[in-house]
Amino acid sequence: DQQVKQNSPSLSVQEGRISILNCDYTNSMFDYFLWYKKYPAEGPTFLISISSIKDKNEDGRFTVFLNKSAKHLSLHIVPSQPGDSAVYFCAASGAGNNRKLIWGLGTSLAVNP
Amino acid sequence: DARVTQTPRHKVTEMGQEVTMRCQPILGHNTVFWYRQTMMQGLELLAYFRNRAPLDDSGMPKDRFSAEMPDATLATLKIQPSEPRDSAVYFCASGLDTLESPQSRNTIYFGEGSWLTVV
Repeated sequence: DQQVKQNSPSLSVQEGRISILNCDYTNSMFDYFLWYKKYPAEGPTFLISISSIKDKNEDGRFTVFLNKSAKHLSLHIVPSQPGDSAVYFCAASGAGNNRKLIWGLGTSLAVNP
Repeated sequence: DARVTQTPRHKVTEMGQEVTMRCQPILGHNTVFWYRQTMMQGLELLAYFRNRAPLDDSGMPKDRFSAEMPDATLATLKIQPSEPRDSAVYFCASGLDTLESPQSRNTIYFGEGSWLTVV
């Protein structure tokens, strides 16, 4: 049973427009959420994170929004660039001794020039 | 430029052969993770070490897989005997888990992966 779900396997966006990638989770004990980006033939790289005590975290063109009541988070990329084309993974972890990151299956983003 | 180093990058082997993948975590990191990526399962956690001690290997098939950290600079993942269904990309990742910054534990850094094909 997927505790972290990325329901859109793929997304296509025009350069300059906003990309919105969504992630839903089922475990209310998750307290930290991360987004990783993965290019082909490379390992995932950390992009941005958010703690459950916040509802928004921004880093340049990337903003993550967290809606705890809906158990939903989203990654906004504005403006989207062709170099943003990659697979984006959402991950979550729980409090206490549970360090295990639970991963979504990823969303493949294509930003078209 | 600190990075996680994995070897080999690519490996093609015959079914039944032993495969050993190696990982050098980022210097100073005290957590090491082995992941397997497949199309259907995404990123599966196979094993997790903190301060060289295995904390969680529940995702690893115990009959053929083993993971060890002989020292702080080397982690190994071994498959014996290998099977075609083991064909996947295996990632090693490392991180820093300290009492001073408990949330940094969640930010882990991946190597480039070992691409394994078992024929």
